[in-house]
Amino acid sequence: AQSVTQLGSHVSVSEGALVLLRCNYSSSVPPYLFWYVQYPNQGLQLLLKYTTGATLVKGINGFEAEFKKSETSFHLTKPSAHMSDAAEYFCAIPWGAQKLVFGQGTRLTINP
Amino acid sequence: GAVVSQHPSWVICKSGTSVKIECRSLDFQATTMFWYRQFPKQSLMLMATSNEGSKATYEQGVEKDKFLINHASLTLSTLTVTSAHPEDSSFYICSARGQGRDNEQFFGPGTRLTVL
Repeated sequence: AQSVTQLGSHVSVSEGALVLLRCNYSSSVPPYLFWYVQYPNQGLQLLLKYTTGATLVKGINGFEAEFKKSETSFHLTKPSAHMSDAAEYFCAIPWGAQKLVFGQGTRLTINP
Repeated sequence: GAVVSQHPSWVICKSGTSVKIECRSLDFQATTMFWYRQFPKQSLMLMATSNEGSKATYEQGVEKDKFLINHASLTLSTLTVTSAHPEDSSFYICSARGQGRDNEQFFGPGTRLTVL
């Protein structure tokens, strides 16, 4: 069965610093990879997704992620953190024909 | 596009009562909708998958008689928590998937259920 692991349940960075949120998936190469963001008491919003083609994917709010098959990773980055980036981030991969399986989530805190 | 709404956004009810939560896809037809439950500071737990016009498929450990799901149209799915108890208090999130959108799901804003 497919699985997703997000290293670090909580990441804290200073405003303006690099953001790196890690995501690794199980050995079977998924056809798609997703990053979602969840702000407090809200649903999930798609940040970006990898389907085919370029392995570096750009998303909303300045985030990007790189699909590395050799490392079974899809880490999320942003060059310069903003206070508004504070949220919970979830990596997800397909599960079967319709479902998604989510990582445990990483809570991002931005220090002023 | 691809907006999903949920109603209500929060609800408080007494133990033993039933609560219905609605999930609507506002600008697309959702052949499949999903219901998730999220505990504080945890990931989403898939409860069930519902396809329009057919019975929902529940995940292992989810009581189908407790959590009734109806997907009567391509834009509406409902989750009814029957005979609610305090342990049912949680954040419930629905999502919808349209045709040809790979596995991408569009999420509603969630419903906070508190059972007293």
